[in-house]
Order: sequence, then C-alpha cells, then structure tokens
Amino acid sequence: NAGVMQNPRHLVRRRGQEARLRCSPMKGHSHVYWYRQLPEEGLKFMVYLQKENIIDESGMPKERFSAEFPKEGPSILRIQQVVRGDSAAYFCASSRIVSREGINEQFFGPGTRLTVL
Amino acid sequence: AQTVTQSQPEMSVQEAETVTLSCTYDTSENNYYLFWYKQPPSRQMILVIRQEAYKQQNATENRFSVNFQKAAKSFSLKISDSQLGDTAMYFCAFVNSGGSNYKLTFGKGTLLTVNP
Repeated sequence: NAGVMQNPRHLVRRRGQEARLRCSPMKGHSHVYWYRQLPEEGLKFMVYLQKENIIDESGMPKERFSAEFPKEGPSILRIQQVVRGDSAAYFCASSRIVSREGINEQFFGPGTRLTVL
Repeated sequence: AQTVTQSQPEMSVQEAETVTLSCTYDTSENNYYLFWYKQPPSRQMILVIRQEAYKQQNATENRFSVNFQKAAKSFSLKISDSQLGDTAMYFCAFVNSGGSNYKLTFGKGTLLTVNP
C-alpha cells in the first residue's frame, strides 16, 4: 500500500533551467496539493488540483510556476527559468474526496529538495 | 488570514523526560482543525496528532497529548517519556472546516532534540 510518491528526491538545476517535480498520490486519492518549504520556514500552500482541474492556485507565484494533474499519470509542478530563491523543499500531499464540511486528511510525500546553483 | 506562531525555535529534553511545545494561532473562524506534524531528518512529514475545535476534550495519541485552549487560541503539544526517535522538527498547523478546508497553514516549527 504505497504512500504518496515524489521524484526526484533531490534535484539540482542551474539558474535559467527548468525544474519538473512529480507526485503520484496514494491509491484511491484524486486530490493533490503542493506545498513549498523555504529554509527555516514552515510549509506554505501553493496549489490544489483535482484530475485535469486546478481548484486553487492562490499560493503559486504568478510567473514561472505551473502545475498540472492529468487524467493519466502523476501531478507535475513545473518551474521555468529557475532562480536561486526557488531553492526549497517541495512537498506533495493527497487526499480522498474533499467534503465541504469536516476534515480532509492530507497524506504527505517525502518531498523534493530543489537546489538552484 | 490565519496565522500560526511557534515561539520556540529550538528545545531540548533528556530522554525519558517530558517536554511541551507551544503553538498559538489566530483566526476568526469558529470551526477548524489543529495538527502537530513531525519532520525527522528524513524530511518526511508525519502527522502526530489532531484536534477538532468543536471538541472540548484534548486529543491524545500514546505518549503525545495536546492542551487545547480555544479561548486563548493555544494548542501545545506534550511529549511524555521522550525517546531519541522523537528528535525532529515539529510543526503546528491549522485548517478551516468548510470552504477552504484543504489549505493547511503551518507555523515555522520547533526543533526538538532528545538527549541520551
């Protein structure tokens, strides 16, 4: 019963390159969330996706960042033209159906640590 | 906007002793959930314990318990009989119930070191 999987675990990019981070949710989960953890900080919400839909991207930087969750395959967080300030740990979480009331427990992956040289 | 504050950047405790980590939060909502997550050196985020705001009874999970003071907006974590494996960053987190009940807000964390 695999948990949330993220790859790669570590990614090194030079300034100006593209970074692609992948997340496979737990089996039976169709809701995916991305969080970013800057050094010495807690996790900050970036985006919430369902299959083929972006539900809430209020935490995403306006430029260079995009996310998708296609009908088939993992969710992808894409960062174009990376800068040093993008260096962080990026965590993916997933949950089952999201109810309007109550709690939708999110299960976290191990994260991808992005280092921009 | 909700905020979560953890005022202790670092703490240490001797093995087998008890330690309490502090957390305060700010919200205008009445229904919400609070969590403590553990992040060991592996960086995996692990849910330790959660509390529903509408429940007066404090949550407990084995050696972990919380002191939830709704009026004071305080949510501290007590770890009893500390073990070396408890060494980790601990994050307090908040989420509303209802509309945006998926957007977790985290504090900056407390680094707990358990000494032998």
